[in-house]
Amino acid sequence: DAGVTQSPTHLIKTRGQHVTLRCSPISGHKSVSWYQQVLGQGPQFIFQYYEKEERGRGNFPDRFSARQFPNYSSELNVNALLLGDSALYLCASSLRTSGRSDTQYFGPGTRLTVL
Amino acid sequence: GNSVTQMEGPVTLSEEAFLTINCTYTATGYPSLFWYVQYPGEGLQLLLKATKADDKGSNKGFEATYRKETTSFHLEKGSVQVSDSAVYFCALSDQDGNKPGNNRKLIWGLGTSLAVNP
Repeated sequence: DAGVTQSPTHLIKTRGQHVTLRCSPISGHKSVSWYQQVLGQGPQFIFQYYEKEERGRGNFPDRFSARQFPNYSSELNVNALLLGDSALYLCASSLRTSGRSDTQYFGPGTRLTVL
Repeated sequence: GNSVTQMEGPVTLSEEAFLTINCTYTATGYPSLFWYVQYPGEGLQLLLKATKADDKGSNKGFEATYRKETTSFHLEKGSVQVSDSAVYFCALSDQDGNKPGNNRKLIWGLGTSLAVNP
């Protein structure tokens, strides 16, 4: 079975532009989470979606938004890009959101560079 | 709020040496605990997990025991290999009981870089 896939792999944008990152979860997984990993740090939680509804939001500005589609794939959108948005954006999928043993499986990430 | 603290790296070991990477946590409630590994240029891979106190997670020769009394989840391996060189992240699964669906997000340590020399 395919794992979590993300596209694109790398992306270069300039300040003020917007970007859309895409994620396809593992088949059968209904929950998708997004994380931002700045170089040298641990990931920071951005959003979690389950059954197309937002179930959690981290401490990120409104420039960040996301959605989940009927096939459980997801998009992360970032508007008005800032230099500080340069990071590795990670998507993780899991069967659901609330089980104690539920495990998040990560994709390879999208490396975003803002110039 | 909940948090995870890992020992700072980088950690440099010779092949076949014993490895310990310390991880302690602060949490209300009963989180699940995880170790993820990130190899150079790759995404995060689940290494092992434990969901309740005294559980031991193990995989690929790595072990960690969920110690509620010391709020720790230290990662150990008896004999490291060059191929174990990577960054290791400790994380806890934080359940937000006030939100619909009781979503669980992961809260991460800063990561510990391990370099194993032949």
